[in-house]
Amino acid sequence: DAGVTQSPTHLIKTRGQQVTLRCSPKSGHDTVSWYQQALGQGPQFIFQYYEEEERQRGNFPDRFSGHQFPNYSSELNVNALLLGDSALYLCASRLTSGGETQYFGPGTRLLVL
Amino acid sequence: QKEVEQDPGPLSVPEGAIVSLNCTYSNSAFQYFMWYRQYSRKGPELLMYTYSSGNKEDGRFTAQVDKSSKYISLFIRDSQPSDSATYLCAMSADNFNKFYFGSGTKLNVKP
Repeated sequence: DAGVTQSPTHLIKTRGQQVTLRCSPKSGHDTVSWYQQALGQGPQFIFQYYEEEERQRGNFPDRFSGHQFPNYSSELNVNALLLGDSALYLCASRLTSGGETQYFGPGTRLLVL
Repeated sequence: QKEVEQDPGPLSVPEGAIVSLNCTYSNSAFQYFMWYRQYSRKGPELLMYTYSSGNKEDGRFTAQVDKSSKYISLFIRDSQPSDSATYLCAMSADNFNKFYFGSGTKLNVKP
């Protein structure tokens, strides 16, 4: 049973560029959340997708956007990258009706130069 | 004030010691409490989760929640060098949707 997978594993971009990160949820899961983890900090909630719609959003600017596809996979897009966007981006999935907590993928490490 | 406060450590203990990791929180709406282990440059791995107050045990790990004090703990018995990692507490008010994390405690278990 495959867990949560994310791609790419590492990415280097320059300021002002745009980036797209991808997530495939654990088999059977229908809800995907994205988190940003700066070095030495705990993950910060960006947003959550369910039934292809954004259900909740954290305190992140509109430069951060996302999408969920019919197969429940998801993308995180960040526009106009800033140096401060350098972080580990984590995807987590769960089954909304399952009553269980969520499971995290290995993350994508983004470096903005 | 942060919603979740966690002792940052680092915490260094000898192999076999009992480890106590703690978090405090301010939001009384939190009902779901999780502990994750995160190895360097990896994603968080779920260790324990509990609902509301009480204790939960799983092998060498025991999670405690005291909602009246807004305080949660994770105890690790007979600690092993393989337990060396960063431990993150996480909380949610609404059935595992938006999680609030502590900043993590780095644990080093010396052989």
